[in-house]
Amino acid sequence: DTAVSQTPKYLVTQMGNDKSIKCEQNLGHDTMYWYKQDSKKFLKIMFSYNNKELIINETVPNRFSPKSPDKAHLNLHINSLELGDSAVYFCASSQRGQSSYNSPLHFGNGTRLTVT
Amino acid sequence: GEDVEQSLFLSVREGDSSVINCTYTDSSSTYLYWYKQEPGAGLQLLTYIFSNMDMKQDQRLTVLLNKKDKHLSLRIADTQTGDSAIYFCAEKGSGNTGKLIFGQGTTLQVKP
Repeated sequence: DTAVSQTPKYLVTQMGNDKSIKCEQNLGHDTMYWYKQDSKKFLKIMFSYNNKELIINETVPNRFSPKSPDKAHLNLHINSLELGDSAVYFCASSQRGQSSYNSPLHFGNGTRLTVT
Repeated sequence: GEDVEQSLFLSVREGDSSVINCTYTDSSSTYLYWYKQEPGAGLQLLTYIFSNMDMKQDQRLTVLLNKKDKHLSLRIADTQTGDSAIYFCAEKGSGNTGKLIFGQGTTLQVKP
C-alpha cells in the first residue's frame, strides 16, 4: 500500500524518559513534516525536511530533535519528556514544487503520546 | 500573519445539508484544502480549490471560495452518520515550504 506510516501508534511513558517516533513514506515525496495535535485538536507544525534538509523549525523546545536519514524517512526524538508533551503527533509528506503547485499533505495515522 | 478560523461545532440531522465555514488571512494563498479526521485516525484529504476558482463540486461536496472576503465553505449534501468527524480547513503557507496552516477544526455531529 502507498502511504505514510508511523510507529508506534501508542506510546505511554514516564516523565524524564527519552523516546522516538518513526515515520516512513513510500509516495515518492520530497518533503516530510511533523505536526502536533493538542487535546483541543489544534494542529501545529513543528518541523519539515525537504530532501533531508531542515526547512521548517518552528518554536519547539530543544528536547525535540528530528532526523531524516533519507527523503523517505523522518524520525522524531524527544528527550526528557514532560507532561505537556502528551499529544498526538502526526507525520505527513508532500511534493513541494513551486508555490503555485498543488501539494496537499498526506498524513500518517498519528502517534498518541501519553506522558505520566 | 497566517491564520485560519473555523467554528468549532455543527450538528445536523441525517439527510440535511451541512455547511462548514472557514476564514483565512493570507490573501496570497494559492490553494485551500478541506481535510476530514475520524476518531483515532489521521487527516484524510477531502477536496481542495485553487484560488482562481470560486466553486468546485465533487459528488456530495461543494466548495465555495469568496476570495474578496477570504471565506471558504464546505457543503455536504445529504449528510450521513458516516460523515460525523472533525473537518479542517487549511491554507497553503507562504514561503514555498509546502506547509499547510490549519484551522481549529469543526466537529460535525450527524443525528439519525
